[in-house]
Amino acid sequence: NAGVTQTPKFQVLKTGQSMTLQCAQDMNHEYMSWYRQDPGMGLRLIHYSVGAGITDQGEVPNGYNVSRSTTEDFPLRLLSAAPSQTSVYFCASSGTANQPQHFGDGTRLSIL
Amino acid sequence: GQQVMQIPQYQHVQEGEDFTTYCNSSTTLSNIQWYKQRPGGHPVFLIQLVKSGEVKKQKRLTFQFGEAKKNSSLHITATQTTDVGTYFCALLKGNTGKLIFGQGTTLQVKP
Repeated sequence: NAGVTQTPKFQVLKTGQSMTLQCAQDMNHEYMSWYRQDPGMGLRLIHYSVGAGITDQGEVPNGYNVSRSTTEDFPLRLLSAAPSQTSVYFCASSGTANQPQHFGDGTRLSIL
Repeated sequence: GQQVMQIPQYQHVQEGEDFTTYCNSSTTLSNIQWYKQRPGGHPVFLIQLVKSGEVKKQKRLTFQFGEAKKNSSLHITATQTTDVGTYFCALLKGNTGKLIFGQGTTLQVKP
């Protein structure tokens, strides 16, 4: 099983560029989330979804957009990249609200 | 908003010593989850605690949920180099699958 797949694994952007981080899961999970991880700050929730067509904001949503048109995919869009968005981004999914979350391998994003 | 504070931020131990990390909340938690992240890796689920005073064990790891459900701890007996990594507690908010993580405790083990 592939589980949660994130692409790309690494990306370098210039300030002001836009891009989409991809996340796909093959476990038919309803719940999906995006986190960013910065040194000393743990994982902070950006956006999450409880099912196709339903998304909501997490702790740090500014500068990011999401959509959930299918159960499998939950892309994260950076509208106009800023150096403060340099981070490691993790996507996660779970079958129900209180089941363990399965994480992808992460995308390491640097913005110059 | 509801948050958890995790301490210590870093811990260096000699192989064979014990290790404990603590999670504290100012409000009552419905449940708490623990994850481990190896260096360069992604978080991996360890356990979930839901009952007041609950204690669960996984080999050398012991997880506790406080009687008031406001704190939790993870204790590792006789650490090994394979225990190296960052341990996170996380609280689940409502029925949304929304998981709020503590800051994590990074464990280093000297062989």
